[in-house]
Amino acid sequence: QKEVEQNSGPLSVPEGAIASLNCTYSDRGSQSFFWYRQYSGKSPELIMSIYSNGDKEDGRFTAQLNKASQYVSLLIRDSQPSDSATYLCAVKSGGSYIPTFGRGTSLIVHP
Amino acid sequence: KAGVTQTPRYLIKTRGQQVTLSCSPISGHRSVSWYQQTPGQGLQFLFEYFSETQRNKGNFPGRFSGRQFSNSRSEMNVSTLELGDSALYLCASSRDSDNQPQHFGDGTRLSIL
Repeated sequence: QKEVEQNSGPLSVPEGAIASLNCTYSDRGSQSFFWYRQYSGKSPELIMSIYSNGDKEDGRFTAQLNKASQYVSLLIRDSQPSDSATYLCAVKSGGSYIPTFGRGTSLIVHP
Repeated sequence: KAGVTQTPRYLIKTRGQQVTLSCSPISGHRSVSWYQQTPGQGLQFLFEYFSETQRNKGNFPGRFSGRQFSNSRSEMNVSTLELGDSALYLCASSRDSDNQPQHFGDGTRLSIL
């Protein structure tokens, strides 16, 4: 059973701070990792993909992957109230066409 | 480039009825997956279609079925609706590769009275 674990939160951070969202996974054969943002009542929106160990930056977002420790994280710098949403971590194993999703972490950015 | 299109956006049905939801994937995407999302259960995988064939299946009863057409458009059908089927149904498409992400449509919100 492949599992992807996320702290459900809510994670509350002040505006302008760095929000750190974490995700751990059970399958050592996992090769592709994705972060989605989902606003309340809306569908998930892809914000980051990462495939290699290390950091990947895109604007205010940085994804970090550590395959040896089986975790992937998402950092949001200069957090804004508009970043308040649920963030879903998704993991794909090699040869699998279907990702396994975590249940998401709720992020609240307060002014 | 147009995104994933799902119709209808909202549906209200009563118990025992059946419903058909439609999904048009992003152009060039041949894999189409369906998910059910409820507040308590998160994203639950229903099934995935590729080349008009169901390639992967989640753990849902046979009342939930789907199909894919030659143009990659997909439909999902739920028969004998139950109150517990009230949920947001999401369609996601992707290129056919094991390292490509899925892209979601806006979903169909189904309410069962």
